[in-house]
Amino acid sequence: DGGITQSPKYLFRKEGQNVTLSCEQNLNHDAMYWYRQDPGQGLRLIYYSQIVNDFQKGDIAEGYSVSREKKESFPLTVTSAQKNPTAFYLCASSAGLADTQYFGPGTRLTVL
Amino acid sequence: AQSVTQLGSHVSVSEGALVLLRCNYSSSVPPYLFWYVQYPNQGLQLLLKYTTGATLVKGINGFEAEFKKSETSFHLTKPSAHMSDAAEYFCAVSDRSNYQLIWGAGTKLIIKP
Repeated sequence: DGGITQSPKYLFRKEGQNVTLSCEQNLNHDAMYWYRQDPGQGLRLIYYSQIVNDFQKGDIAEGYSVSREKKESFPLTVTSAQKNPTAFYLCASSAGLADTQYFGPGTRLTVL
Repeated sequence: AQSVTQLGSHVSVSEGALVLLRCNYSSSVPPYLFWYVQYPNQGLQLLLKYTTGATLVKGINGFEAEFKKSETSFHLTKPSAHMSDAAEYFCAVSDRSNYQLIWGAGTKLIIKP
């Protein structure tokens, strides 16, 4: 089945530690995205990538980093510089930037 | 900058009643418009989208939405609510210049038995 996988579903980390969230897609999509979701708010764009080896900052990129070494994979690192990292993180992909975005199941990160 | 407003953070309807979730956007140029649904602790699923053409768009699970340019609205409706419709619904617009999605804050739909 084609789709987007995110792992793990739940992640706990101590304050001050970096943590990497995984996102893999087998839809052959060129574009991939990372969003952050907080209760009562819409999704906010962290980073997006239009093609391999290229990515752009979204609205809230500070404290996050990404890489896009393979078309299928777009991992997100939440660094210790991110002041409020506890949130639900959603990965999405689309054929191109103008196309419909499809979402993974999300990773809930809790920083203790 | 574009913005999306969803009226009502929570909407409660009885099972079998009409569902109406409101979405208004601010844009001088008609954008692409989307409705997504999110069940608890899950990702978002596309319900329907409007790009061009017919302004009444039918989606999955019996939902539909109508694009009204004069009212800058894209309200989501379903004639008869089911218990399984209980979820959070997000409206989003895509700026045709850079295609980034701008999201509403979401509306939680509660279905009363």
